[in-house]
Amino acid sequence: GQNIDQPTEMTATEGAIVQINCTYQTSGFNGLFWYQQHAGEAPTFLSYNVLDGLEEKGRFSSFLSRSKGYSYLLLKELQMKDSASYLCAVRDRGTGGSYIPTFGRGTSLIVHP
Amino acid sequence: GAGVSQSPSNKVTEKGKDVELRCDPISGHTALYWYRQSLGQGLEFLIYFQGNSAPDKSGLPSDRFSAERTGGSVSTLTIQRTQQEDSAVYLCASSLAPGAGNTIYFGEGSWLTVV
Repeated sequence: GQNIDQPTEMTATEGAIVQINCTYQTSGFNGLFWYQQHAGEAPTFLSYNVLDGLEEKGRFSSFLSRSKGYSYLLLKELQMKDSASYLCAVRDRGTGGSYIPTFGRGTSLIVHP
Repeated sequence: GAGVSQSPSNKVTEKGKDVELRCDPISGHTALYWYRQSLGQGLEFLIYFQGNSAPDKSGLPSDRFSAERTGGSVSTLTIQRTQQEDSAVYLCASSLAPGAGNTIYFGEGSWLTVV
């Protein structure tokens, strides 16, 4: 099984840069996802990493180091609408034998003016 | 449809009653997942369907929970003799088969309240 750890809450200022870290312990690693979830809404896909390195997509970037069991999500030029929960999920072979993403508890990001 | 569709969007039921939650995945998606999310908690995996393979039921919390997927498309999650601790948002998601696509799309969820 996995042990996925991410900070519970972070605050940042509009226009700034914020980095949300995620550490995990797993075997049979098969990819790491980041999702954004606004209160009362469904999670929406942000990024997927399976190889080491940085994936950049507009204002959002995601980094993975498999040897360290570590990922981060980098958000640049923060906007008020970025206030949301950010979920880290690791896919590996679960107890039932399938490759299923297991989600962390999420990091609640509060962006203030 | 364009996205994952779930119904009902909200359900209030009395303790001890049975409920059925429905999920209509994105057309062509062979993988279907059920998760639940309690207030302030992370997503908890329940069950996974992939094509015609036997479902992975390893996340179901008790034998009161069951799910089926008919014709490789629509899925129904059934909770029998509901308890108050079953109150949560039940999220369905779908994707192409792992290896063929890695984006997992979630529906809006079914908000279940057991009173």
